[in-house]
Amino acid sequence: RKEVEQDPGPFNVPEGATVAFNCTYSNSASQSFFWYRQDCRKEPKLLMSVYSSGNEDGRFTAQLNRASQYISLLIRDSKLSDSATYLCVVNYGATNKLIFGTGTLLAVQP
Amino acid sequence: GAVVSQHPSWVICKSGTSVKIECRSLDFQATTMFWYRQFPKQSLMLMATSNEGSKATYEQGVEKDKFLINHASLTLSTLTVTSAHPEDSSFYICSARLLTGGLSTEAFFGQGTRLTVV
Repeated sequence: RKEVEQDPGPFNVPEGATVAFNCTYSNSASQSFFWYRQDCRKEPKLLMSVYSSGNEDGRFTAQLNRASQYISLLIRDSKLSDSATYLCVVNYGATNKLIFGTGTLLAVQP
Repeated sequence: GAVVSQHPSWVICKSGTSVKIECRSLDFQATTMFWYRQFPKQSLMLMATSNEGSKATYEQGVEKDKFLINHASLTLSTLTVTSAHPEDSSFYICSARLLTGGLSTEAFFGQGTRLTVV
C-alpha cells in the first residue's frame, strides 16, 4: 500500500464548478499535512496547510480526519488557472520528510 | 518568501558521464535539504535527506554511490549523478524547509533540473 494515495484523475470540470479531491495516508503518526500545486514541468508550490479543525483560504477548503487518515481539498468556483496537478503531502514526525501522493490532475474547461 | 535556487534547469549528457546539480537557499540557512526525483506522470519520490556537515540519509533503493550528495555549507547542497545512464533521465528537485520557532513549516522547492541522458 502506498504511503499517500490519491485518485490520479484527470478531473475535467467546467469553469465555475466545485470539485473535491481526496487523499488517504497510511502512517497514523503523521503530524503535518499539506496540499501542493504543481504545474506542468514546474516545481511544486504550497497551496495550503491542512489543520485538524479544517481551514479555508478563499475558494479553497481543506479538511483533515485523523481517525480515518483522510484529507480533502475542495475548490469552489473553478477558474481556468486552477488547472494543475494537486499533490497531497504528509510530514512524518521529527524526520521532517515530506511524502507526496501521486497527485490529482485537474483540467478546468472554458 | 524564502527562495531556493537550483542549477542547472536542464542538462543533456552522454551515457557514462557525471552530472552535478546545485541547490542553494538564497535568504535562509538550511541545515537540511531534500532531494526528490520525479518521472513523467508520477509523483515526487524522496531520494535522500542532505544534512549539513554530515552524511546524507538515503531512502531505500537509492544507491548512495551513484547519487553523491554533498552539503558543505548551510546554503548549498549538491547532487552528483555519477556514470549516468538513460534510465536516470528524470526531473530532479531539491527542497528546504524553513524552521519557525523550532517548528518546520513550508517546504520551498528549487526550480528543478530536467536531466536527459543520451
